[in-house]
Amino acid sequence: DGGITQSPKYLFRKEGQNVTLSCEQNLNHDAMYWYRQDPGQGLRLIYYSQIVNDFQKGDIAEGYSVSREKKESFPLTVTSAQKNPTAFYLCASSTLVSGNTIYFGEGSWLTVV
Amino acid sequence: QQPVQSPQAVILREGEDAVINCSSSKALYSVHWYRQKHGEAPVFLMILLKGGEQKGHEKISASFNEKKQQSSLYLTASQLSYSGTYFCGTPRRMGSGNTPLVFGKGTRLSVIA
Repeated sequence: DGGITQSPKYLFRKEGQNVTLSCEQNLNHDAMYWYRQDPGQGLRLIYYSQIVNDFQKGDIAEGYSVSREKKESFPLTVTSAQKNPTAFYLCASSTLVSGNTIYFGEGSWLTVV
Repeated sequence: QQPVQSPQAVILREGEDAVINCSSSKALYSVHWYRQKHGEAPVFLMILLKGGEQKGHEKISASFNEKKQQSSLYLTASQLSYSGTYFCGTPRRMGSGNTPLVFGKGTRLSVIA
């Protein structure tokens, strides 16, 4: 089945550690996105990529890093510089057609302990 | 700019109707509607494109008023399964080509028996 796979579903991190969230899609989509969700805040854009080896900062990129070495993969690293990383992280993808639908993965819960 | 949704929350009894509004301070090319159950991925409901066409999906329909820079989601004869948080998303920037979506803070809908 085609879709977006995120892993792990739940992750606990100690303060000061970097963690990487995986996102893989087999929809042959060119564009991929990372959103962060906090209660009452909706979804906020962290980074996005429209082509391999290129990516753009979103609205809350500080403390995060990404890579796009393959079309189907867009991992997100939450660095120790992110002051409040506990949140629900959603990966998404779409084609490059203007106005096209964005499809989401199942999400990853990150908790800092 | 983040679109503004209203109301923030609504409680319905089964069979009742509801309207969720999404407004923007800038001209809109498209509006995307999603529904999210707690801890799950947002699920695409429909997209409204510039032109004012009303889209429908069973008992859920939506309208798009370009002049008012607003879209409304109509849920008729609500069912328990309609419970969740509804988000509208609008293009982050105007122009040709694909662009990430900016989402409103969401409207929490609770349908009770």
